[in-house]
Order: sequence, then structure tokens, then C-alpha cells
Amino acid sequence: GQQVMQIPQYQHVQEGEDFTTYCNSSTTLSNIQWYKQRPGGHPVFLIQLVKSGEVKKQKRLTFQFGEAKKNSSLHITATQTTDVGTYFCAADNYGQNFVFGPGTRLSVLP
Amino acid sequence: NAGVTQTPKFRILKIGQSMTLQCTQDMNHNYMYWYRQDPGMGLKLIYYSVGAGITDKGEVPNGYNVSRSTTEDFPLRLELAAPSQTSVYFCASSQTGDYGYTFGSGTRLTVV
Repeated sequence: GQQVMQIPQYQHVQEGEDFTTYCNSSTTLSNIQWYKQRPGGHPVFLIQLVKSGEVKKQKRLTFQFGEAKKNSSLHITATQTTDVGTYFCAADNYGQNFVFGPGTRLSVLP
Repeated sequence: NAGVTQTPKFRILKIGQSMTLQCTQDMNHNYMYWYRQDPGMGLKLIYYSVGAGITDKGEVPNGYNVSRSTTEDFPLRLELAAPSQTSVYFCASSQTGDYGYTFGSGTRLTVV
């Protein structure tokens, strides 16, 4: 089945600093999703990327799908304490379900 | 809209007991999923369903069973609970298999 890796596992930043997490697959992905899970909460869908090289923005969040569709990134500009949580990428597993990466846990120091 | 509703929110089971985790959605989604999340880890797929009457195994199905008699409900059954099943269980739904999932708030299960 599909497997995805995420780096880093943890990231501690000072409020106002930027943050990036990377998602990598050994196989070509048809599409990729990103989710955010606040501490003690449930995953919340953020976005889906489908096209090679696609870039989408949501306020301070920028999502990118690699040209080869084997990797993706999530970049947060000027982090805020509300950005705290774990960010997961999820890769399409042959159209039946999505396989989640292990996540990157972000902490933001005020 | 309530979205995806899971009950109970918390449960403590003794080894060998059985229980059913309930999941219902009111969005008329065809696809439903059960994931487990161990502390500090990602989500592992237990079972999923692409429509009423159809279920299939995910990555970690052993020790669990599911049924999908209606579009709305997708209960997860644990038989003979074991400490390894201590986890947080999330139910999710999606209109199609390739779009964003809506997750329930989870059931935190402890087996002692």
C-alpha cells in the first residue's frame, strides 16, 4: 500500500517565525490532502492538491504539490499561537481511501 | 448540520470485554472510515465502506468488525478487548473517495 513520510517530526518556533513541513512519497501520487489537528482535537481538512506543481494559498498557509507529484509542502508565514497542532498529509491509496503520514507537531512559543 | 457524531466520547473496558463504537453522519456521504490514533502517532485505517452494504479492511483490521446497513451509520465492534486496542478512535466520512474527510470528535478507549 501507499506510504508517506513527513519531516520534521517536531518543530518549535517563536511566534512570528515561518514554518514548513514536508511530505514525501516513493511513488507518484494522484492527489494529496493536508489536515490540521489541534491538541486533544480531531483532524480538520485543510486542502487537496491534484495538479503537478500546484500552489494554493489560504491566508498565511501556502500548500505546494511537487512537479513529479511525489512530494508536497505546507508553509506557514509568521506563525501565531493559533497555529499550534499537528499537521498531517494524506496520500490517495488507489481511490479507495487516504493513507496518513505520521504528522509534524508544531509548537509556537509566544 | 451535526456532521459526524461519535459515541461514547470516553470508555474504559476490561480485557476480554466487548463494545460497539457508534458513528453516524447526516451529510449523506457514501464513504465512511474508521481510524485509530495511538498517542503521538498518525492515523491508521481500520475499516472503510464505500456505501451501504459494502465494507472492506484497512491497514489494521484485526480485532475489529464493522457493518454498514444504512448510509448514515457505521458502527465499529471490538470483540475480546486487549490492551493493544487502547487508542483514540476516529470515524470520518466523505462524499467521494477522493475528497476531504469530515472527522468526528473521537472516542478515547482504554483497555485495562
